[in-house]
Amino acid sequence: DVKVTQSSRYLVKRTGEKVFLECVQDMDHENMFWYRQDPGLGLRLIYFSYDVKMKEKGDIPEGYSVSREKKERFSLILESASTNQTSMYLCASSFYRRQGANQPQHFGDGTRLSIL
Amino acid sequence: AQKITQTQPGMFVQEKEAVTLDCTYDTSDPSYGLFWYKQPSSGEMIFLIYQGSYDQQNATEGRYSLNFQKARKSANLVISASQLGDSAMYFCAMREANTGNQFYFGTGTSLTVIP
Repeated sequence: DVKVTQSSRYLVKRTGEKVFLECVQDMDHENMFWYRQDPGLGLRLIYFSYDVKMKEKGDIPEGYSVSREKKERFSLILESASTNQTSMYLCASSFYRRQGANQPQHFGDGTRLSIL
Repeated sequence: AQKITQTQPGMFVQEKEAVTLDCTYDTSDPSYGLFWYKQPSSGEMIFLIYQGSYDQQNATEGRYSLNFQKARKSANLVISASQLGDSAMYFCAMREANTGNQFYFGTGTSLTVIP
């Protein structure tokens, strides 16, 4: 079974802190994604990566950065946390489209982040 | 324009009854895939079912089936014989084969199964 592991289920941080959310997958997927989920807004894509050291902005990249130094690991960084970044964060991975356009994304369990 | 539209924010269904969750999509790519996910209150996203744009038959997975109407660009999820454990958020998603590796998600439908 594909396993996508997020480092924390719950996290509480203070405004202005630099926050790191880590995600690791074990299926050799090329693509990795970070989403933010808020009630009524569904999943919004923050960043995704289709290869090591590659990254693409999603719909809401402002205030976030990412790092992909190894294929299996994709980190989301909140440079200076603010209260409006309190949310559920979901990491996902999938095959690159040529290898598996019919393959779903696989998700981690999510991190509920609170910024005080 | 929204790639995926789910117009039902909330739905109720009696236990053991069937329920249909609506999903319409917008794409000009002839090759695409449609996915449904379930998200219980615990938060994890569980993949349920997949339909490819060239598939001749509607997809089925146990109690889940996908009512795929290509001309209408709809891909509704049908859950038969609802169970209390089906209470969750349900998300429809699409991936376009030619335009990239992104998945586009709808805003979700919250399903409550009533005993």
